[in-house]
Amino acid sequence: QSVLTQPPSVSAAPGQKVTISCSGSSSNIGNNYVSWYQQLPGTAPKLLIYENNKRPSGIPDRFSGSKSGTSATLGITGLQTGDEADYYCETWDSRLSAVVFGGGTKLTVL
Amino acid sequence: QVQLVQSGSELKKPGASVKVSCKASGYTFSSYAINWVRQAPGQGLEWMGWINTNTGNPTYAQGFTGRFVFSLDSSVSTAYLQISSLKAEDTAVYYCGRFLGSGKYFDHWGQGTLVTVSS
Repeated sequence: QSVLTQPPSVSAAPGQKVTISCSGSSSNIGNNYVSWYQQLPGTAPKLLIYENNKRPSGIPDRFSGSKSGTSATLGITGLQTGDEADYYCETWDSRLSAVVFGGGTKLTVL
Repeated sequence: QVQLVQSGSELKKPGASVKVSCKASGYTFSSYAINWVRQAPGQGLEWMGWINTNTGNPTYAQGFTGRFVFSLDSSVSTAYLQISSLKAEDTAVYYCGRFLGSGKYFDHWGQGTLVTVSS
């Protein structure tokens, strides 16, 4: 059981937009930055969003992040088949003194 | 450019030990912590803990104490994960990651090392 809750799967058609939610509590998302990672099949995770809404260089602006209270959201617009992957949210939990990940969300681009 | 290169896949018998390496390049090794993350087959990411690359002090997450040891060889910019008394449930891909303490995120990851424990 993950500390952060994500939907197991989401799907949308190419070109459409999708959002992935990540729900936590005041000890984690509520008082710490949230990051998002993309894990393509058989590869290592890759940083997509850090400090709630910042994109590393090389990440297209189709990917966006936001945070409100104890929840965070990853948005992906202009979906491409190459976006099919697992997506994870991550933050620090101040009560546990630990890095915590969401359970992951599998994105299918129909 | 920043790179973390991990050692290759391992096949071990139950009860044996394994040591996974993570060689860093392209930055000052002692400036960023190295964290370890486990991913069991078909499962999500699980944080194992981290090692302070300045002091060598390790911190282990709950569930990763006792059989798991993080260490460094700073002379070759390499971090290590050693697992002893291996069990079938240790079968997983193990990732090292460069961790930015200010924002609490992983900006670079190793390619992963598959450890398979089977008799």
